Amino acid sequence: SYVLTQPPSVSVAPGQTAKISCGGSNLESKSVQWYQQKPGQALVLVVYDGTARPSGIPARFSGSNSANTATLTISRVEAGDEADYHCQVWDSDSHHVVFGGGTKMTIL
Amino acid sequence: QVHLVESGGGVVQPGRSLRLSCAASGFIFRSFGMHWVRQAPGKGLEWVAVISHDGSNERYADSVKGRFTISRDKSTTTLYLEMSSLRPEDTAVYYCAKDPVRFGSGSDYGWYFDLWGRGTLVSVSS
Repeated sequence: SYVLTQPPSVSVAPGQTAKISCGGSNLESKSVQWYQQKPGQALVLVVYDGTARPSGIPARFSGSNSANTATLTISRVEAGDEADYHCQVWDSDSHHVVFGGGTKMTIL
Repeated sequence: QVHLVESGGGVVQPGRSLRLSCAASGFIFRSFGMHWVRQAPGKGLEWVAVISHDGSNERYADSVKGRFTISRDKSTTTLYLEMSSLRPEDTAVYYCAKDPVRFGSGSDYGWYFDLWGRGTLVSVSS
């Protein structure tokens, strides 16, 4: 079955740029989504189809996808960005929704 | 306001049944597929099931196939998940989530989730 691999955690200082990776075989051929999860709150879609941002999501959030790695980049990180971030794809070969294990982003 | 609100979670013994509900508001419920996604304590997200905009088509994860049933009521704009033969490994927070693809756009599902609820906790334990 298809596997997406994320680092368990990343740490970044306020005002800096955070990059969260999501690895998978031939990932550039798939549509990658990113979700933000804060405790007790509904998950929020922050990037879809690799690079697109839903309305209401700040331009500080951006996505890229190349070869076997997709990356969520958060510029000018704020304290309120502290959350778990999950990548997700639809694997058309197995007809399965696949999530990465999630990355906990801590603001130093 | 666009909202999804889950309810019905609780503690249940192995082998028993439970029905979850998800009340939808703020969008045209009958036009979109709907999903259930779960997250075991300390674990990642796992997709559970999807139902088409009109309830005519359903799909399930292998881990719940034959035990869980997804359904929807267009009159009350409510999504359901009927869970039977529950196992300890079904313990999780269950989220309902909206598919972004509108009926009539050419695809049944986008296979991602543009609106989520806050979830309801199901604990399967004796």
